[in-house]
Amino acid sequence: GAVVSQHPSRVICKSGTSVKIECRSLDFQATTMFWYRQFPKQSLMLMATSNEGSKATYEQGVEKDKFLINHASLTLSTLTVTSAHPEDSSFYICSAGGANTIYFGEGSWLTVV
Amino acid sequence: EDQVTQSPEALRLQEGESSSLNCSYTVSGLRGLFWYRQDPGKGPEFLFTLYSAGEEKEKERLKATLTKKESFLHITAPKPEDSATYLCAVRGSGGSNYKLTFGKGTLLTVNP
Repeated sequence: GAVVSQHPSRVICKSGTSVKIECRSLDFQATTMFWYRQFPKQSLMLMATSNEGSKATYEQGVEKDKFLINHASLTLSTLTVTSAHPEDSSFYICSAGGANTIYFGEGSWLTVV
Repeated sequence: EDQVTQSPEALRLQEGESSSLNCSYTVSGLRGLFWYRQDPGKGPEFLFTLYSAGEEKEKERLKATLTKKESFLHITAPKPEDSATYLCAVRGSGGSNYKLTFGKGTLLTVNP
């Protein structure tokens, strides 16, 4: 079964609103989680590294004020897309794991209308 | 900067026709080469992790091998349910813990 769970799997929101996506590690504690974005027929693009108890590390070109990441516990990281625009519509995926295996969540489809 | 190149971009096979997917990489201090399978609209599913040249791992019809410059994913007698995008990723010693660099993937289609 899944060891990394994301919720919601699909969400539609209006332009200008904010939406939160949750990522949970089910069978293990994760001090570090990763958030990716994937466009159709493209590979995964790392957005940020979520660190439990400290600030997230963002990749170059990713707006930290737009994509807020909170890693409040060892099993939960959240990604909040603020003031969403249609161009934020995408597939967002989180991952967590250890030295030998890195698992991915099922992904969350965001559509901004 | 770590880099991963996968080839071919797309591959069509007949059921039972064996083939291989290639993953070429450059990395500063390899700390793992990962293979994933991704079905449309879903997150990647973990397949294998390889760490050193000469290492091999198998799972059902899939076998992954590793050299110092590339990895191969061999598919023996594939079935239509093996159709998916196969992603290769590396983790180097230069990045943050567990950060992966992905290739663009190979879209495999197996026709019955």
